Amino acid sequence: DVKVTQSSRYLVKRTGEKVFLECVQDMDHENMFWYRQDPGLGLRLIYFSYDVKMKEKGDIPEGYSVSREKKERFSLILESASTNQTSMYLCASSFGHSYEQYFGPGTRLTVT
Amino acid sequence: AQSVTQLGSHVSVSEGALVLLRCNYSSSVPPYLFWYVQYPNQGLQLLLKYTSAATLVKGINGFEAEFKKSETSFHLTKPSAHMSDAAEYFCAVTMNSGYSTLTFGKGTMLLVSP
Repeated sequence: DVKVTQSSRYLVKRTGEKVFLECVQDMDHENMFWYRQDPGLGLRLIYFSYDVKMKEKGDIPEGYSVSREKKERFSLILESASTNQTSMYLCASSFGHSYEQYFGPGTRLTVT
Repeated sequence: AQSVTQLGSHVSVSEGALVLLRCNYSSSVPPYLFWYVQYPNQGLQLLLKYTSAATLVKGINGFEAEFKKSETSFHLTKPSAHMSDAAEYFCAVTMNSGYSTLTFGKGTMLLVSP
């Protein structure tokens, strides 16, 4: 079975802190994705990566950056956390040209 | 641009009743379509997918969906709801971006009462 793990299930941070969310997949997938999920808004794509060191902006990249130094790991970085970044963050991965994505359990981030 | 509309943010059914969750899409190219389910405090799990083969697609847990090009729809159905079906359901369509990305609908919460 494909396994996508996220470093924390729950995280509480203060405004202005730098926040790292880590995602690891164990199936040698080329593509990795970061979404945020908010009630009534569904999933919105923040960033994705189709190869090591490659990244592309999604629909809402403002306030976020990403890093992919190894194929299995994709990090989401909040350079200076703000309260409007309080949300559920979901990581996903997929094979090269496959659209079928496998999701991690999510990290619920609260910024106070 | 590709988009997905899920009609109804909440749908309530009784146990044993038919489940119908609606999804309409817009796409400039033949789409691939997906239904995902999210149980409380979990990530998303693939229920079923349409990838231009059979228009009636069967998925896990007794769910199925029919691709209707003329109606640009991909509604999810299950003949008889079970309490364990209570969850949030998301429809997704492939984006014509050159990358393997999806656009998700806003989700429909399915409530099942005894």
